[in-house]
Formats: sequence, C-alpha cells, structure tokens
Amino acid sequence: DAGVTQSPTHLIKTRGQQVTLRCSPKSGHDTVSWYQQALGQGPQFIFQYYEEEERQRGNFPDRFSGHQFPNYSSELNVNALLLGDSALYLCASSPLGQGIPFSYYEQYFGPGTRLTVT
Amino acid sequence: LAKTTQPISMDSYEGQEVNITCSHNNIATNDYITWYQQFPSQGPRFIIQGYKTKVTNEVASLFIPADRKSSTLSLPRVSLSDTAVYYCLVGESGTASKLTFGTGTRLQVTL
Repeated sequence: DAGVTQSPTHLIKTRGQQVTLRCSPKSGHDTVSWYQQALGQGPQFIFQYYEEEERQRGNFPDRFSGHQFPNYSSELNVNALLLGDSALYLCASSPLGQGIPFSYYEQYFGPGTRLTVT
Repeated sequence: LAKTTQPISMDSYEGQEVNITCSHNNIATNDYITWYQQFPSQGPRFIIQGYKTKVTNEVASLFIPADRKSSTLSLPRVSLSDTAVYYCLVGESGTASKLTFGTGTRLQVTL
C-alpha cells in the first residue's frame, strides 16, 4: 500500500518565478492538506482540499493556490516566489469522508518537497 | 484552537524512559490530544492520540489527567533511532481539521 508521495524531491527556483508541487494521497484517502515548514519550525497549515474544492485555508497569501483532481491527487502552486518561500512543503492525506464523529483524524504525511528560492 | 507549550529540547540515554509533557490550558471539550514524531527531512509521523486517561500502543503511552490541561508522552526504553522532534497537537474533532504545530520538543538520545 503506497503512502503519500510527493514530487519533486528538491527544487531550486529564482525569485519571481512560479512553482508547482505535486502530491498523491495514500490509497483510500480523499482529503489532502498542504503545509509549509521553515527550517527549525513546525509545519504551518496552508490549505486543505476535499471533493476538488478548497475547504480550509491558513494564513497564507493568494500567491499560494492549489487544485485537487478527481483521483484525489493535488497540486500546490506558488506564484511570484520570494526568498521567504524557501521551505519544506509537506502534503498530508486523510479519510475525511468516513463521517466518524468526534474523532481527530490521523493525517499521513509525505516526505515533502524541499524548495529553495534564490 | 488550543495553544500548546512543550519543552524546546530534552536529552536522554539509550534504554531510558522519556516523558515529554505538554501544556494545553485552554483545551476544548471536543479536542483530542495527538503526538507526532518528525525525523530530519521527513514528514511528521503519527504516534498516538487520546482524549482522556491513558492510551497505550506499541510505540508509546499517553497520559492525560482528569482536567485535560496537560498530557505526557511516554517513550519506554528509547534508542538512538528515537532522536527526533516530537510535536504535541490539540485539535478539534469531527473533521480532518488543520493541524496546528508548535515548535516541538527536540529529543536527543545518546549512548
């Protein structure tokens, strides 16, 4: 059973450029969340996708956008890259649609994409 | 979302039991307490989750007092491979809620 996969592993971009990161959720999961982790910090929630729509969003500017496809895979797009966007970008999947009340779903994280902006 | 406070770092010798305490004074009724482990350049990995009293799995135990304002992650007989950052999270139930990570506790295990 494949876990969460992300591509590419590493990426180097120049300020002002645009980048697209990709994520395939764990088999059976329908919800994908994206996190940004700066060096030495905990992951920070960017947004969450379910049924191909953005359901929740963290405190990130509109330069960060995403998409979810019918097969539940997802993309994270960042426009007009800044030096401060350099971070490890993590994708996590979970089975939102099971409708279990009052349970805090375990989220499965991928290995991340290391983005360096120069 | 309830804020959590945990030690920045801890050191331990291999074979010892390690207890990491997390404070979450404003935890809400529907909140669960969850711990994640993260190795360098990897995504966080779920360790354990609980609501009250004690939860134990093959990896760790989680102790939650009656007032639920704190919790303690207990790692029995740590090994060098347990060197990682451990995050305590308190989250709303019912949906795949966004996870709010703090800076975590960096555990260093040595011989």
